[in-house]
Amino acid sequence: TQLLEQSPQFLSIQEGENLTVYCNSSSVFSSLQWYRQEPGEGPVLLVTVVTGGEVKKLKRLTFQFGDARKDSSLHITAAQPGDTGLYLCALRTGGGNKLTFGTGTQLKVEL
Amino acid sequence: SAVISQKPSRDICQRGTSLTIQCQVDSQVTMMFWYRQQPGQSLTLIATANQGSEATYESGFVIDKFPISRPNLTFSTLTVSNMSPEDSSIYLCSVEEGSYGYTFGSGTRLTVV
Repeated sequence: TQLLEQSPQFLSIQEGENLTVYCNSSSVFSSLQWYRQEPGEGPVLLVTVVTGGEVKKLKRLTFQFGDARKDSSLHITAAQPGDTGLYLCALRTGGGNKLTFGTGTQLKVEL
Repeated sequence: SAVISQKPSRDICQRGTSLTIQCQVDSQVTMMFWYRQQPGQSLTLIATANQGSEATYESGFVIDKFPISRPNLTFSTLTVSNMSPEDSSIYLCSVEEGSYGYTFGSGTRLTVV
């Protein structure tokens, strides 16, 4: 059983559209990170959310941590081709030293 | 944040051979992590490498298949041994940087033919 399930698995949209990516778990976690990975590169940290109900904004990206700290969402407004990539949620496990990734959402934004 | 140099960036290897991937960090770090990313998939942790001790492997990964070295606080290698086509993946190293999260190398894209 995967610890972190993401949906949708794939998303192909037109430039200017909005989208939301979800990250869900059956367990409560103390914090969650979101990463974006572009082709040929390693994942890059976008944000860390730590408080239930927390909302963080990074330009056109809005991250929300569920009140029960079992889920998170990433909303992108007016998507651009530069947003194309693999979006991964992740949490620290193994006493906080290891990073476990979600199943991933592959986003493609076309002109 | 730390800068990680990983090499080779890609390789095509014959089945039955071995490939050693190198990871160099521009600062001293206690733990280094090795991940595998199969085509179209997310990242799966292979092992954690600590300097001065044996690596700790995750379920499904064994030292005979993925031996790891960690000779100092800035360098680690991962060897993929006796390769088969199922080992075709991207292999990434990573370090943990507190509030900066985890920093990753650019990965090694391995194709086994």
